Amino acid sequence: GENVEQHPSTLSVQEGDSAVIKCTYSDSASNYFPWYKQELGKGPQLIIDIRSNVGEKKDQRIAVTLNKTAKHFSLHITETQPEDSAVYFCAATSPGNQFYFGTGTSLTVIP
Amino acid sequence: DSGVTQTPKHLITATGQRVTLRCSPRSGDLSVYWYQQSLDQGLQFLIQYYNGEERAKGNILERFSAQQFPDLHSELNLSSLELGDSALYFCASSPKTANTGELFFGEGSRLTVL
Repeated sequence: GENVEQHPSTLSVQEGDSAVIKCTYSDSASNYFPWYKQELGKGPQLIIDIRSNVGEKKDQRIAVTLNKTAKHFSLHITETQPEDSAVYFCAATSPGNQFYFGTGTSLTVIP
Repeated sequence: DSGVTQTPKHLITATGQRVTLRCSPRSGDLSVYWYQQSLDQGLQFLIQYYNGEERAKGNILERFSAQQFPDLHSELNLSSLELGDSALYFCASSPKTANTGELFFGEGSRLTVL
């Protein structure tokens, strides 16, 4: 099955700086890569996703890049704000398959 | 609010006991997924149901079972509980069975086994 690895496990940045979280996957059949944000006491919520026919996608301060050849994808958050502090999960899946999640990155934005 | 409702939010019980966690998916969503999140662990997939039928099974222990009812709500049954079963259990739903769309997560049920 698919194996998704996520790094780093913890990340601290100063407010206004950028944060980058990286994930690798093993199954070349995976074609959908969502990112979820989990705030304290809440369930994970989708913040951005990318499909394998696209190399990059941006939504305001958040962007995701995908390198299919290297089987890795990354989440980029620019101009970080304290409300960006949360645990972020990457995932990979293919049609008819389950979602495979990374182990999470705890992001702390220091005011 | 994701539209997915999980009950109870918190549950404390003793080893050897049995508990049932309940999930109501978003209106119209046919797929229900159960995940376990232990301390410092990611989201471990347990099981998926689609329109009442089991669709996929992950790392679900034999002591655990689940079902999806005709009204599409789902229950996760955990029996012969062990200390290691203490975790946050999430339910998620999606409109389809093909896993290429968004999962909508509930707020979880926190199980503590003493």
